[in-house]
Amino acid sequence: KAGVTQTPRYLIKTRGQQVTLSCSPISGHRSVSWYQQTPGQGLQFLFEYFSETQRNKGNFPGRFSGRQFSNSRSEMNVSTLELGDSALYLCASSYTAAAKNIQYFGAGTRLSVL
Amino acid sequence: GQQVMQIPQYQHVQEGEDFTTYCNSSTTLSNIQWYKQRPGGHPVFLIQLVKSGEVKKQKRLTFQFGEAKKNSSLHITATQTTDVGTYFCAGRTDRGSTLGRLYFGRGTQLTVWP
Repeated sequence: KAGVTQTPRYLIKTRGQQVTLSCSPISGHRSVSWYQQTPGQGLQFLFEYFSETQRNKGNFPGRFSGRQFSNSRSEMNVSTLELGDSALYLCASSYTAAAKNIQYFGAGTRLSVL
Repeated sequence: GQQVMQIPQYQHVQEGEDFTTYCNSSTTLSNIQWYKQRPGGHPVFLIQLVKSGEVKKQKRLTFQFGEAKKNSSLHITATQTTDVGTYFCAGRTDRGSTLGRLYFGRGTQLTVWP
């Protein structure tokens, strides 16, 4: 079974631009979560989608948005990029959104904002 | 708000020494998961604990879940260079509007000197 696929793997953008990241979950998984990882800050939760509905949202500004499609693939968008948005963005999928599911992470998209 | 605290942030040990990382939550958790992220890699699931006072072992790794389900620990006996990486705990709540959300600790970065 293929793992979680994130594209692109690397991105370089400039301040003020917007970016869209993509995540294809493991086949059969319906829940997708997004995290931002920066040195010293650990994994910061962005949002979680299940069956095309946002179930939970972290404490990020409205510039960060996401969506999930009927095939469970998910995208996240960051508008008006700031230097501080430079980070590794990780997507994780799980079978359901139930309390005991295991998260399977993708390799991440490394975003650099210049 | 809900958060999971993890200490220490960094740990440097000589190969063969033991290592322990601790997680504490301000609220009761329905379960706790542990992940390992190798340098340059993505978090990979290690284990899940569900029951109060539960102890699980994986070779040299021992995982514990506190009686009150608010704390957990990971202990590695006789570390090896292959243990290098960042260890994250992740707790899931089972109440309120954040039902099912996973709260990650900041991680403990383990360095093992040969």
